[in-house]
Amino acid sequence: AQTVTQSQPEMSVQEAETVTLSCTYDTSENNYYLFWYKQPPSRQMILVIRQEAYKQQNATENRFSVNFQKAAKSFSLKISDSQLGDTAMYFCAFMKHGGNQGGKLIFGQGTELSVKP
Amino acid sequence: ETGVTQSPTHLIKTRGQQVTLRCSSQSGHNTVSWYQQALGQGPQFIFQYYREEENGRGNFPPRFSGLQFPNYSSELNVNALELDDSALYLCASSLHGSGGLRTQYFGPGTRLLVL
Repeated sequence: AQTVTQSQPEMSVQEAETVTLSCTYDTSENNYYLFWYKQPPSRQMILVIRQEAYKQQNATENRFSVNFQKAAKSFSLKISDSQLGDTAMYFCAFMKHGGNQGGKLIFGQGTELSVKP
Repeated sequence: ETGVTQSPTHLIKTRGQQVTLRCSSQSGHNTVSWYQQALGQGPQFIFQYYREEENGRGNFPPRFSGLQFPNYSSELNVNALELDDSALYLCASSLHGSGGLRTQYFGPGTRLLVL
């Protein structure tokens, strides 16, 4: 069974600085997807960034980028130029590609990020 | 483009009752997944519906059941409610096609409180 671990329950960062959130996962699959979702106090789950395991290039979306290390089963999220609106709970998630249970997201426990002015 | 919507936003029930939660998928999407998120935890997969059939189920008892309709909207039904069913219920829609990335987009959730 796949598992996702986020070892940092809480983090804080000053506005305009850079912060990195950690995520590790365990799987025997070779073909899968990884995601970061953010959940602000409104509780709406919002997609931040996604990565296909077969792609070696790390995904980037504006101020958000990932460091995907497939051999180490690590998928960290870097937020540059942090903004007050980035304050939220961040979840790392794994999805197996196809087959039985393909399409099921497995989430970590979350990291609560506070951006301070 | 219409996003994922859920109703109701909040619901209070008593133990033993039954509840139905509803979800309308994002336009162009054909798959709906349901998740339960207890307070302070990550979401847990309940089940997924594709072409009006269950397409994968998590570790939830049979009293959790669902439906998908021809317009791809979906319902989650929970019978014999228990106190531990109190949670945020999230619906996510995606496009299930021939391979490729099936990114799931979430609705705002329904907060259920069982007393």
